[in-house]
Amino acid sequence: EVQLVESGGGLVQPGGSLRLSCAASGFTFSNYWMTWVRQAPGKGLEWVAVVKHDGAEDYYVDSVRGRFTISRDNAKNSMYLQMNSLRVDDTAVYYCARVGGWDYFDCWGQGTLVTVSS
Amino acid sequence: EIVLTQSPGTLSLSPGEGATLSCRASQTVNSRNLAWYQQKAGQAPRLLLYGASYRATGIPDRFSGSGSGTDFTLTISRLEPEDFAVYYCQHYRSWQYTFGQGTKLEI
Repeated sequence: EVQLVESGGGLVQPGGSLRLSCAASGFTFSNYWMTWVRQAPGKGLEWVAVVKHDGAEDYYVDSVRGRFTISRDNAKNSMYLQMNSLRVDDTAVYYCARVGGWDYFDCWGQGTLVTVSS
Repeated sequence: EIVLTQSPGTLSLSPGEGATLSCRASQTVNSRNLAWYQQKAGQAPRLLLYGASYRATGIPDRFSGSGSGTDFTLTISRLEPEDFAVYYCQHYRSWQYTFGQGTKLEI
């Protein structure tokens, strides 16, 4: 069974940092691009970042570029999101997801809540 | 940047009825890169359709998708109680992924 489990969310002050993790199981992790998607409270879905299967390429939505870094460790079947210079509007549930062949997101974790507040 | 606009914002129907949800792109898109998701309250999204019309694994055949160019449709025939949720369309182009704002399907 394919499973994605996020961790690392919590409360952080504006300007602070947080590192999210996504642990994958049930599939060959190193074969897939992986992504982070977030959802602010009561709002819709927003794509955040994506990383290539070997970690050699990564791409970001404009609002987080330069502040967030996506990475992965295929030996540990894990993906990460390092979030720096956090802002109040980064408050959201962050989901990790697997990227399917036609650039859709075919498996999702349960999400981890990040709250940026003073 | 491609903007996806979903309509209506909210759709009120009864179980057994059919539902038609629209997703309009701000410019012509490749239907291969158009997907639909369902999200129930308190849950993660679930992939319904990819390539505009291909059902994901385990998705019932009452869900169907169509469209090309700028206009895409998700159709749900014979609504079941578990189908009442929020639906999002999503597109990919040039290392950018975009979601529509969602359509809430309510009883």
